[in-house]
Amino acid sequence: DQQVKQNSPSLSVQEGRISILNCDYTNSMFDYFLWYKKYPAEGPTFLISISSIKDKNEDGRFTVFLNKSAKHLSLHIVPSQPGDSAVYFCAADSGGGADGLTFGKGTHLIIQP
Amino acid sequence: KAGVTQTPRYLIKTRGQQVTLSCSPISGHRSVSWYQQTPGQGLQFLFEYFSETQRNKGNFPGRFSGRQFSNSRSEMNVSTLELGDSALYLCASSLQGLGNNEQFFGPGTRLTVL
Repeated sequence: DQQVKQNSPSLSVQEGRISILNCDYTNSMFDYFLWYKKYPAEGPTFLISISSIKDKNEDGRFTVFLNKSAKHLSLHIVPSQPGDSAVYFCAADSGGGADGLTFGKGTHLIIQP
Repeated sequence: KAGVTQTPRYLIKTRGQQVTLSCSPISGHRSVSWYQQTPGQGLQFLFEYFSETQRNKGNFPGRFSGRQFSNSRSEMNVSTLELGDSALYLCASSLQGLGNNEQFFGPGTRLTVL
């Protein structure tokens, strides 16, 4: 049973436009959410996080939105740049951390010139 | 500040053998977590060590074990290797451990079991 789902395996966006990556979760105990970016042959790199007490967190070109009632979060990248092409993972944590981070299977973002 | 380092980067073993992977966390970080990444299952949590103690454990068989040293460096051991153990093994360090804290990942060790 997948507790964190990224339903789009891949997404293609034109350079300069907005990229929106989506993530759904089922476990209501999750209270902290993170986005990671991964290039081939490298480990995931932390991008941005959000606590369940917030509905939005912004860091430069990256904004994460959380809709707790829908158990849905999204990552917006504006404007999209060629270097943003990578696999993006959504991850969730329950406060005690007993289960580690629970990851989605990732979305491959391709930025087209 | 140096990032998380993992050695070796690549490893080839045969079924039945055992393997030890190493992870050095970011200086000052006391928590090290290990994850397995496979194409089918994605990233799955193995276990977390904090101040030399295993604090949390994922749903993996006892063939997977680990330890942490006083300098926070961690090793992961897999005994009696199976073909399905072929994966990218990632370690992540954080200042305070799991639970609403960012984790910083190393580049991973690619294990191939033949």
